[in-house]
Amino acid sequence: SQELEQSPQSLIVQEGKNLTINCTSSKTLYGLYWYKQKYGEGLIFLMMLQKGGEEKSHEKITAKLDEKKQQSSLHITASQPSHAGIYLCGAEGMNRDDKIIFGKGTRLHILP
Amino acid sequence: DSGVTQTPKHLITATGQRVTLRCSPRSGDLSVYWYQQSLDQGLQFLIQYYNGEERAKGNILERFSAQQFPDLHSELNLSSLELGDSALYFCASSVDDPGPYGYTFGSGTRLTVV
Repeated sequence: SQELEQSPQSLIVQEGKNLTINCTSSKTLYGLYWYKQKYGEGLIFLMMLQKGGEEKSHEKITAKLDEKKQQSSLHITASQPSHAGIYLCGAEGMNRDDKIIFGKGTRLHILP
Repeated sequence: DSGVTQTPKHLITATGQRVTLRCSPRSGDLSVYWYQQSLDQGLQFLIQYYNGEERAKGNILERFSAQQFPDLHSELNLSSLELGDSALYFCASSVDDPGPYGYTFGSGTRLTVV
């Protein structure tokens, strides 16, 4: 079965700094989702990537899917306290069986 | 408000008991998904229903069951509860497959088994 590994597991950055979170799949990705979760709350959809080399941005957050479609990176520019939370990547099953499998998440803390 | 409603928000119960978690999907969505989130396991897919029928099953224990009713709301039943069942349970919905906008998640039910 497909597995997603996120790195780092946890990240502490100074406000204003840039950061990158990675998501690596054990198999080819057919649809890669990025979600953000505030601690103890629901998940908020950020963006979805489908094509190799595709890059999307949402405010100061940019995500990219590599050409081989087995890794995605999420980059935050000039981090703010509002960026704190858990970032999860998720992937559709190889057989397009609808369910999304998620990585364990990256916990991001922003220091003022 | 995401449009997906989960009740209750918090639940504290004793081991061996049975509880029911309820989910109302976003208007127009036919698919409902249940996930369990714990610190060590992350977000684990439990089960999916589409328009009243079970479509996919994940790591759902035999003590757990779910159903989707004609009005499309769904219930997740957890029985013979154990301490390890303490977790956040999320419901999510989508029109059909996740598509370019993924699922819409509810705010979750935090279950504590004591």
